[in-house]
Amino acid sequence: EAGVTQSPTHLIKTRGQQATLRCSPISGHTSVYWYQQALGLGLQFLLWYDEGEERNRGNFPPRFSGRQFPNYSSELNVNALELEDSALYLCASFRINEKLFFGSGTQLSVL
Amino acid sequence: LAKITQPISMDSYEGQEVNITCSHNNIATNDYITWYQQFPSQGPRFIIQGYKTKVTNEVASLFIPADRKSSTLSLPRVSLSDTAVYYCLVGGVSGGSYIPTFGRGTSLIVHP
Repeated sequence: EAGVTQSPTHLIKTRGQQATLRCSPISGHTSVYWYQQALGLGLQFLLWYDEGEERNRGNFPPRFSGRQFPNYSSELNVNALELEDSALYLCASFRINEKLFFGSGTQLSVL
Repeated sequence: LAKITQPISMDSYEGQEVNITCSHNNIATNDYITWYQQFPSQGPRFIIQGYKTKVTNEVASLFIPADRKSSTLSLPRVSLSDTAVYYCLVGGVSGGSYIPTFGRGTSLIVHP
């Protein structure tokens, strides 16, 4: 069974640009969580999608947004990139009575 | 949401047992306690999960006292490859929602 897959592995952007990160959950999982992990820091909750709807968001500005598609895959969009957006972005999928499974992340670098 | 506290860092030596304690005073009835291991530039990897008492698997044990306000991850006979950040996660499904809360992580360094 395939795990959580994220793409791209690495992404380099410049200030002001937009970034799109993608996540495919484990088959059968309907929930997708996005986390931001800046260098040397813990996991900061960004967004939670379930059954195509945004269920909850963390303390991040509106330029962080996303969506979940009918096949439960998800996109995270970051507009008007700032230098401090450089981080590892992690996606996790979940199904009730199971545990969170994480992807390997997308390393976003903003120059 | 549970407030989670865990030590920032710990040091150990190869072959020793390491115990990392996580404090979660306001844990909810539905919450489980889960521990993850993370290596640099990788996603966290599941280690062990429990609700109460003791859980053991092939890599670790998890001790949870009766009041469930803390938990201890025990790693037997650590090796250099156990050097990583360990996260305590508290969360459970309530009303159809699952909002897990992570601790800030404990950086474990295992010395030769």
